[in-house]
Amino acid sequence: DTAVSQTPKYLVTQMGNDKSIKCEQNLGHDTMYWYKQDSKKFLKIMFSYNNKELIINETVPNRFSPKSPDKAHLNLHINSLELGDSAVYFCASSQGVAVYEQYFGPGTRLTVT
Amino acid sequence: QQQVKQSPQSLIVQKGGIPIINCAYENTAFDYFPWYQQFPGKGPALLIAIRPDVSEKKEGRFTISFNKSAKQFSLHIMDSQPGDSATYFCAAGRGTTDSWGKLQFGAGTQVVVTP
Repeated sequence: DTAVSQTPKYLVTQMGNDKSIKCEQNLGHDTMYWYKQDSKKFLKIMFSYNNKELIINETVPNRFSPKSPDKAHLNLHINSLELGDSAVYFCASSQGVAVYEQYFGPGTRLTVT
Repeated sequence: QQQVKQSPQSLIVQKGGIPIINCAYENTAFDYFPWYQQFPGKGPALLIAIRPDVSEKKEGRFTISFNKSAKQFSLHIMDSQPGDSATYFCAAGRGTTDSWGKLQFGAGTQVVVTP
């Protein structure tokens, strides 16, 4: 009965490849987020979706494209992977006006070689 | 440019000690200040949060102190236990439409509680 789940947990790939990370939440939340945590553990928001509508789109390279097929799912597709994309990517969700009470998934560790 | 500055970077205390983590911000539009706890290999988890109209909030052994005029807030972990060893992040957010849900995180503090 995991609240926010992500797949895969680990992703190792070569530069130039395209990869996707999937996120699902079973909390009934209406807002979902993608965060990037770099090697120094700094957490930075990338995107947020509310009821499948893009709300926050930080200055992220357009090689990153989020997609929300429904309220419970938010996927992240990354084209032409670069070494600097290596990080841990977290999905999170929140409900209603409690947008700052965010529930995070376990993370996907992406390593680009 | 980091909007929330967090210190120290790391902290070691003995069991029963009180680790204190400090955060400072510049943007007075921030109106929500949560703390997240992250264990190795896990996602951050909301620990406790405060709004600027309150100067102190306690939940169990965790206390947030908030100084609005100084634009600073801090986390105290009372009677710390080895199980509290984790990385702690402060954050700040503002309730405007264009910032809805956008949390600015501090750089994190790694806390180690020795037995």
